[in-house]
Amino acid sequence: AQTVTQSQPEMSVQEAETVTLSCTYDTSESNYYLFWYKQPPSRQMILVIRQEAYKQQNATENRFSVNFQKAAKSFSLKISDSQLGDTAMYFCAFMILFNTDKLIFGTGTRLQVFP
Amino acid sequence: DADVTQTPRNRITKTGKRIMLECSQTKGHDRMYWYRQDPGLGLRLIYYSFDVKDINKGEISDGYSVSRQAQAKFSLSLESAIPNQTALYFCATSEGQGGVTDTQYFGPGTRLTVL
Repeated sequence: AQTVTQSQPEMSVQEAETVTLSCTYDTSESNYYLFWYKQPPSRQMILVIRQEAYKQQNATENRFSVNFQKAAKSFSLKISDSQLGDTAMYFCAFMILFNTDKLIFGTGTRLQVFP
Repeated sequence: DADVTQTPRNRITKTGKRIMLECSQTKGHDRMYWYRQDPGLGLRLIYYSFDVKDINKGEISDGYSVSRQAQAKFSLSLESAIPNQTALYFCATSEGQGGVTDTQYFGPGTRLTVL
């Protein structure tokens, strides 16, 4: 079975600090993409960052970066210089290529940024 | 203007009623998806469509049907709503290139309550 595990249901961080959200996944496939989506209280699902599994270099988008460890099937998200607007649910997901294109989601981590 | 819109944003209905949720996109993407989100869970795929004539069931299609009226429109119907279909419903779109689905972009969601 293909699964995504986010072992931290809730996390908190002070504004301007750095926080890392964990994600592990399980698949026997070799071609896939990994994603982090953010869901603020507005409930919109917003793409944060994407990583192609064939790329060794970790993806970075401004204050957001990932630590992708393919052998360990680990895909953590690091948020630097946390801002109040980063308060949201964060979902890790992956998609097997050349398949049903289904996004498989974890159960999410609720991040609270404090002033 | 938003690239992916969903109507209605909120809906309360009664058991046994037929409900239609609509999704429209201006991104020009071929691929469209319907997901369901329950509290404490990630999103799960209900149906997906790679083009107007290609519609496929996802992992939780029972009790739902869909219609792809045009490239830009994808509707989800609950033929006879039941209380356990109370959830947040998301539409998503993606651009398939060379048979590979790219990143999925989500609409704002429809909160459906079945009494």
